[in-house]
Amino acid sequence: DQQVKQNSPSLSVQEGRISILNCDYTNSMFDYFLWYKKYPAEGPTFLISISSIKDKNEDGRFTVFLNKSAKHLSLHIVPSQPGDSAVYFCAASAGGGTSYGKLTFGQGTILTVHP
Amino acid sequence: DTAVSQTPKYLVTQMGNDKSIKCEQNLGHDTMYWYKQDSKKFLKIMFSYNNKELIINETVPNRFSPKSPDKAHLNLHINSLELGDSAVYFCASEDGGANVLTFGAGSRLTVL
Repeated sequence: DQQVKQNSPSLSVQEGRISILNCDYTNSMFDYFLWYKKYPAEGPTFLISISSIKDKNEDGRFTVFLNKSAKHLSLHIVPSQPGDSAVYFCAASAGGGTSYGKLTFGQGTILTVHP
Repeated sequence: DTAVSQTPKYLVTQMGNDKSIKCEQNLGHDTMYWYKQDSKKFLKIMFSYNNKELIINETVPNRFSPKSPDKAHLNLHINSLELGDSAVYFCASEDGGANVLTFGAGSRLTVL
């Protein structure tokens, strides 16, 4: 029973355009959401997060949107760059972001940004 | 200077063997974790230690035994390896909650 799902295994985008990665969750107790980025042969690295008290958080080219009623979040990357090509994992936790790293991850979306 | 380092990076072994994966972090973090990435690519938490104390054990078989000799190290020992144990195992550390984990590069275990 996967509580966090990323239904698009891959996404291909042209450089300079917007990349939109989606994530759905089923557990109503989740109240903190994160995106991690992973390059081949490396571990995931933290990208951006959002608390359930917000519906948007922005950091440079990266913006995460949260729709609690739909149990859906998305990561927007604008403009996309070839260096953004990686696997993006959505993750969620319950406990206000203090749950000792008990994150539930999605299965990842492979983003490819073409020059 | 690697923040979270795991060894070995690759491990190929036969069913029934016992193996260990070591993890060290030089970030001064209090909490360390083991995550498993299975064939379906989901990352799932296995164990969490805070200052050498076990705080999360996610119904992992007893064949898996984590050991934390100090807060900078969290090793994973696996007894009687099975085919289903083949996966990539990630070590991670965290400082002060907020779920911002720093991951190691992963250790790919293949059981034949």
